[in-house]
Amino acid sequence: DGGITQSPKYLFRKEGQNVTLSCEQNLNHDAMYWYRQDPGQGLRLIYYSQIVNDFQKGDIAEGYSVSREKKESFPLTVTSAQKNPTAFYLCASSTGTLSYNEQFFGPGTRLTVL
Amino acid sequence: KNEVEQSPQNLTAQEGEFITINCSYSVGISALHWLQQHPGGGIVSLFMLSSGKKKHGRLIATINIQEKHSSLHITASHPRDSAVYICAVTPGNQFYFGTGTSLTVIP
Repeated sequence: DGGITQSPKYLFRKEGQNVTLSCEQNLNHDAMYWYRQDPGQGLRLIYYSQIVNDFQKGDIAEGYSVSREKKESFPLTVTSAQKNPTAFYLCASSTGTLSYNEQFFGPGTRLTVL
Repeated sequence: KNEVEQSPQNLTAQEGEFITINCSYSVGISALHWLQQHPGGGIVSLFMLSSGKKKHGRLIATINIQEKHSSLHITASHPRDSAVYICAVTPGNQFYFGTGTSLTVIP
């Protein structure tokens, strides 16, 4: 069964702690993306990677970090520098350029910082 | 300034009604995508368009490149269509998303 998995579904952390969100795909997709969703706002791009060992900042990268050591995995770390980290985080992947390819989304992780 | 505007923001319909959701965008694009987000949060891709019209079951999507406008139609709406519908446009390497239209279909 091909798809994208994100874990955990719900995550609670204390303020000031770094936390890493997992994203794994077995679709053999080259490109992977991290988005943040807040109530009443559209999804916003945090980081994206079009190939292993390379990634680019999106519109709201401050306070986040990523790595892409394997094609299948694109973990996102929410650092203590992120001022308002409570949000719903979605990971996605695609085979290539979004002009010709649909994007597949994971189920999301809801992060709450207490 | 939002590159993608959707209307309406919220929509309630009776089962069986014909539904239209609109999307206008201000950037040059190579494709437009319609996405569906269910209450649990998961998102699925419904359509990818660069011109014309596409149909899948009771869903129809159209795009007018000159007017920078797309519509998503749902015929014979059903309560299981209740979800948030999101328009996203791309110049190729990333998406710009609308804020979504929350649809509730009442039995």
